[in-house]
Amino acid sequence: GENVEQHPSTLSVQEGDSAVIKCTYSDSASNYFPWYKQELGKRPQLIIDIRSNVGEKKDQRIAVTLNKTAKHFSLHITETQPEDSAVYFCAAFFDYKLSFGAGTTVTVRA
Amino acid sequence: DSGVTQTPKHLITATGQRVTLRCSPRSGDLSVYWYQQSLDQGLQFLIQYYNGEERAKGNILERFSAQQFPDLHSELNLSSLELGDSALYFCASSVGTSGGYSTDTQYFGPGTRLTVL
Repeated sequence: GENVEQHPSTLSVQEGDSAVIKCTYSDSASNYFPWYKQELGKRPQLIIDIRSNVGEKKDQRIAVTLNKTAKHFSLHITETQPEDSAVYFCAAFFDYKLSFGAGTTVTVRA
Repeated sequence: DSGVTQTPKHLITATGQRVTLRCSPRSGDLSVYWYQQSLDQGLQFLIQYYNGEERAKGNILERFSAQQFPDLHSELNLSSLELGDSALYFCASSVGTSGGYSTDTQYFGPGTRLTVL
């Protein structure tokens, strides 16, 4: 099955700085890569996604890049704010299933 | 609010027991997915149903089973419960294009927290 590795496991940034989370996947047939944000005790919420025919996608302060050759994709959050503090999960879709990374706990320091 | 509802919010039970978790998808969604989230295993895909039929299966234990009913709500049945089954169980739903074999956005429900004592 698909194996998704996510780094770092924790990330602390100063408010206003950027945060970058990286994920690698094992199966080159994976074709869809969503990112979910989960606040404490809440449900995962989709924040951005990218499909294998696109190299980069941006939505306001959030961007995702995909390198199919290297089999990795990254989430970039610019101008971080306290409300960006949460656990972020990357995922890869393969064989009709979403496989999730282990998550990155992001803390934005005021 | 994603539009996906799950009941109950919390469930406390004993080892060896059986429980049923319920999920109602967003209006119009045909696909339902079940996930288990535990501290040591992260978010794990269990099973997907599309319009009443099983579509994909993950690492779901034989003690667990699910079904999707004609009104599209789904139930996850967990039996012979063990301490290690304690986790958050999420249901998600999606539109279900291409007969459920597609990369539609999955919208998660609020989850059911299961505690096995």
